[in-house]
Amino acid sequence: GAVVSQHPSRVICKSGTSVKIECRSLDFQATTMFWYRQFPKKSLMLMATSNEGSKATYEQGVEKDKFLINHASLTLSTLTVTSAHPEDSSFYICSARDGGRTNSPLHFGNGTRLTVT
Amino acid sequence: QKEVEQNSGPLSVPEGAIASLNCTYSDRGSQSFFWYRQYSGKSPELIMFIYSNGDKEDGRFTAQLNKASQYVSLLIRDSQPSDSATYLCAVSKGGSQGNLIFGKGTKLSVKP
Repeated sequence: GAVVSQHPSRVICKSGTSVKIECRSLDFQATTMFWYRQFPKKSLMLMATSNEGSKATYEQGVEKDKFLINHASLTLSTLTVTSAHPEDSSFYICSARDGGRTNSPLHFGNGTRLTVT
Repeated sequence: QKEVEQNSGPLSVPEGAIASLNCTYSDRGSQSFFWYRQYSGKSPELIMFIYSNGDKEDGRFTAQLNKASQYVSLLIRDSQPSDSATYLCAVSKGGSQGNLIFGKGTKLSVKP
């Protein structure tokens, strides 16, 4: 089945540094990928929709200059958390849908646990 | 009112019993409904989706949708300890799963 690979699975960084998270669709092309954030015991919150070859669409309240999204190819989207702070510590998850199949399900990456110290 | 509401639980059932998970949503324009299972520290995985009123069965899982009542449920028959996880209800206005609104999830514990 379709697989979405997310890397790294876990990262610890110091406050003020930037962290890049990669999301790859391994056996299908994804014109659209989605980035979610999940705080402990909270629901998944959609942060932004990443569109290949164009600007990402951010949800209300998500700072686009802080969470930089690049979707340069049909199989790769990246999320960069710039100048990270402890409150950015969270579980970040990407998902993608096979653009070549009608009504194909969303496939989730395994998530990235970000800890900012 | 929150867009997608679920009882956070925990819901505890004995092994072999039926687990019933419930979800209500506020947007009457919602068209697609999904149930995901999420193990601790892991990403969600799709269990079932339903678009039409009524029941949809897949193995031990049955999704039930009542659009008039804005209610969707998931039944798990013959519950197993491996079913212990958090179950997320998600709702979309369109047929795609792109813009999903997730509930907070119900934690299910199946006791051997």
